[in-house]
Amino acid sequence: DIVMTQSPDSLVVSLGERATINCKSSQSVLYSSNNKNYLAWYQQKPGQPPKLLIYWASTRQSGVPDRFSGSGSGTDFTLTISGLQAEDVAVYYCQQYYTFLTFGGGTKVEIK
Amino acid sequence: EVQLVESGGGFVKPGGSLRLSCAVSGFTFSNAWMSWVRLAPGKGLEWVGRIKSKADDGTTEYPAPVKGRFTISRDDSENTLYLQMNSLKTEDTAVYYCARGVGVLDYWGQGTLVTVSS
Repeated sequence: DIVMTQSPDSLVVSLGERATINCKSSQSVLYSSNNKNYLAWYQQKPGQPPKLLIYWASTRQSGVPDRFSGSGSGTDFTLTISGLQAEDVAVYYCQQYYTFLTFGGGTKVEIK
Repeated sequence: EVQLVESGGGFVKPGGSLRLSCAVSGFTFSNAWMSWVRLAPGKGLEWVGRIKSKADDGTTEYPAPVKGRFTISRDDSENTLYLQMNSLKTEDTAVYYCARGVGVLDYWGQGTLVTVSS
């Protein structure tokens, strides 16, 4: 099984500042035949279902604000929120879909 | 508008069974590959299983913690996805979500709570 490890577990950021969340997979999720990273990011607010933010490691889902961006390849990935807004308070999860599906443990983002 | 609505959650004793339903609208369910994901109290998201469309052979896959106990099925005529859960354990306590997709999960239901306790 591919294990996904996120860091940090929680993050406190001032409004308007940058939030950076890291995700590491126990093996590469880059599929060489199409050069795509099978990595997605989700946002989950309390009492709500997860919401897809990013797939293929860096492709933003339709309707997701451009302050959310994903980067990385192979085993190391990053979700960046540029200019944190109050509505971005949530738990963020990375997820690989290279082999079945596994999620990271989540990163809780709060406002300072 | 895409909608997924789960139902069937509740309280069950260890060893018991429960069947969850997910009623879908707003897209062609018969063409969709679907998944179940759960969120246990104080824990992160966990994939519970997935099913392909019947046109793509309709096969199912499960992770080790639920394999042999959980079964996913679908009724394309009713636009409904099911999760049959048997031999339930206390660690199966969670909110269960159905979602469209088997890799990238782009639409999710609101979830239904399953509590397994004696």
